[in-house]
Amino acid sequence: LAKTTQPISMDSYEGQEVNITCSHNNIATNDYITWYQQFPSQGPRFIIQGYKTKVTNEVASLFIPADRKSSTLSLPRVSLSDTAVYYCLVGDNTDKLIFGTGTRLQVFP
Amino acid sequence: NAGVMQNPRHLVRRRGQEARLRCSPMKGHSHVYWYRQLPEEGLKFMVYLQKENIIDESGMPKERFSAEFPKEGPSILRIQQVVRGDSAAYFCASSPTPNTEAFFGQGTRLTVV
Repeated sequence: LAKTTQPISMDSYEGQEVNITCSHNNIATNDYITWYQQFPSQGPRFIIQGYKTKVTNEVASLFIPADRKSSTLSLPRVSLSDTAVYYCLVGDNTDKLIFGTGTRLQVFP
Repeated sequence: NAGVMQNPRHLVRRRGQEARLRCSPMKGHSHVYWYRQLPEEGLKFMVYLQKENIIDESGMPKERFSAEFPKEGPSILRIQQVVRGDSAAYFCASSPTPNTEAFFGQGTRLTVV
């Protein structure tokens, strides 16, 4: 299982774009990159998953460079309700989900 | 299609008692994962089960903890002779296949007094 490294915390203001980068230098060929969001006292919620280049859904975008050693979760125009912990996970389709310490995003008015 | 259901939401046990945590996965999901989370910390993997089989229990303490996912009924995480250090939030997740979108329950908050 590839190890991931994320910033411990980030601050932003409402309406700004937030980019959270995750390093996974030893990602394997079959590994996917998945991001989850967790609000206090709730279970994590799937945000987005990708393998390479760019993936976009109604919530976020995921940018993955050609070497796949890092990935960036992009949240457009954050609001107060985006304050949460964001986890980056790397693994293939035979793996259990291993969560790191995540990035605590605080959005201010 | 109901989401992942965990019960109870809150459980209080005295030291030495047994705690039973239940998780009903989403319909059609045969993969279940259990995690433990302490306040202000990340989720720690405990065990991964697929119907009637334990696939990976590398994160689960060898003593006092056990898990099952029977052919019929919910998955059960059982903690025998609980101690204060077992106090935590326990989350269950299910997915149709490994490492695809996993859906989490609301968790069971265990307090050992």
